Amino acid sequence: GAGVSQSPRYKVTKRGQDVALRCDPISGHVSLYWYRQALGQGPEFLTYFNYEAQQDKSGLPNDRFSAERPEGSISTLTIQRTEQRDSAMYRCASSLRAWGSYEQYFGPGTRLTVT
Amino acid sequence: QKEVEQNSGPLSVPEGAIASLNCTYSDRVSQSFFWYRQYSGKSPELIMSIYSNGDKEDGRFTAQLNKASQYVSLLIRDSQPSDSATYLCAVNRDTGFQKLVFGTGTRLLVSP
Repeated sequence: GAGVSQSPRYKVTKRGQDVALRCDPISGHVSLYWYRQALGQGPEFLTYFNYEAQQDKSGLPNDRFSAERPEGSISTLTIQRTEQRDSAMYRCASSLRAWGSYEQYFGPGTRLTVT
Repeated sequence: QKEVEQNSGPLSVPEGAIASLNCTYSDRVSQSFFWYRQYSGKSPELIMSIYSNGDKEDGRFTAQLNKASQYVSLLIRDSQPSDSATYLCAVNRDTGFQKLVFGTGTRLLVSP
C-alpha cells in the first residue's frame, strides 16, 4: 500500500515568509509525528498527534511553529516568519496504534531552504 | 550526556562479514528500541524493533537488547555492499511517551 507522503518535497522561501508543510500518513494510522533532521544527525522530535489531538508539542522550537491535524488524517506543519535557521529536512512519520507498539514509518521529507 | 549515543563511524567491513552496530541510552525507563537504516539522501527505513531483553532475529539482522546495561545492538550477517548506509538507533520511553529519541547514527561501509 501507499506509504507516508509529504508535500512539497522541496521548498525554497525567503526569510520572513510563512510556509506550510503537508503530511499524509499511511491509511488507517492513528498517530502522526513530525521530526526535523539536520545533516549528519538523527531526526529530532517536534510534535505528534493521536487522531486529531495534539499530544505533545514540546519539541517545537518556538511559537513560530505550529501543527494541526483537524480530521485525524492529513497534518500541516506551519512555520511563520521563517528564518534561515529553520532550513532543514522536515520529516513526518505515522504509526498504526497510539498505544503498544510504536513502530513509526517515515515519509520522504520536505527539504526547506530559507534564503 | 546524550540520551542515545552511537559511534558515528564509519564502520568498514568486507563483504560477507558480520557488522556489529552499537547503541547506548541513558534513560532507564526506556521500553522500546528501534533500528532504522538511512541511505544517503533518503528517509529512515525501519528494519528492526525490540522490546524485551535478549535477541531478536529477522533474516540477516539480529537485534540484541540488554536493559541492565542500557545497551542495544544490531548485527548484520553476511554483509553486502547494499547494506552500506547510516544506521540510526531510536529509543522510546514508555507508554504515553510516543516520541522517538534518535542517536546520530553509525555509517556502515561494506566493501566488495
